[in-house]
Amino acid sequence: DAKTTQPPSMDCAEGRAANLPCNHSTISGNEYVYWYRQIHSQGPQYIIHGLKNNETNEMASLIITEDRKSSTLILPHATLRDTAVYYCIVRVEAAGNKLTFGGGTRVLVKP
Amino acid sequence: GAVVSQHPSWVICKSGTSVKIECRSLDFQATTMFWYRQFPKQSLMLMATSNEGSKATYEQGVEKDKFLINHASLTLSTLTVTSAHPEDSSFYICSARDPWGVGYGYTFGSGTRLTVV
Repeated sequence: DAKTTQPPSMDCAEGRAANLPCNHSTISGNEYVYWYRQIHSQGPQYIIHGLKNNETNEMASLIITEDRKSSTLILPHATLRDTAVYYCIVRVEAAGNKLTFGGGTRVLVKP
Repeated sequence: GAVVSQHPSWVICKSGTSVKIECRSLDFQATTMFWYRQFPKQSLMLMATSNEGSKATYEQGVEKDKFLINHASLTLSTLTVTSAHPEDSSFYICSARDPWGVGYGYTFGSGTRLTVV
């Protein structure tokens, strides 16, 4: 699976949009971009995933560049409960395939 | 959505004893489950892939005789830390794959914090 690069940490203001970048310059054509987050002392939680097109759900939006070498996770209105470590993962969608976590971005939402 | 239950949520044991951690998929059948370990301030590290009815596949550097994995049914996988030592103290997390849950098919348990004294 392709390697991802994320900033180690970032702060954002409560109520504002949080934009989390992820670089995956070696991504293959059949690899999806996944985002998970881990709130302190809990198991990771799925947020969103995509292949080529931008995606949106009730939690976030995922913007993937046209060349697919980078993506941005957008939390439209960050709340204090969004404070967590956010992981960007790229992998082939196949049964039994494992998820490999990188360092992630530690996001602190401040009042 | 899919739910994975992990027990216990925390455990303290004496050095040299064994500890068993259970991971259950509550509303779906999981032929594959994954076990991770996480040290403070670090990312999740995959330990092994647990396959129902067959031997687990361990990642490089993980001692299979120390971390025994059993996946006897489609809804239960167990991780036994044998002869635990203080350096085994960590946060252990399991994950199960709902085969019908594409994309969001990986559901994680809430984790087990193991402290070996």
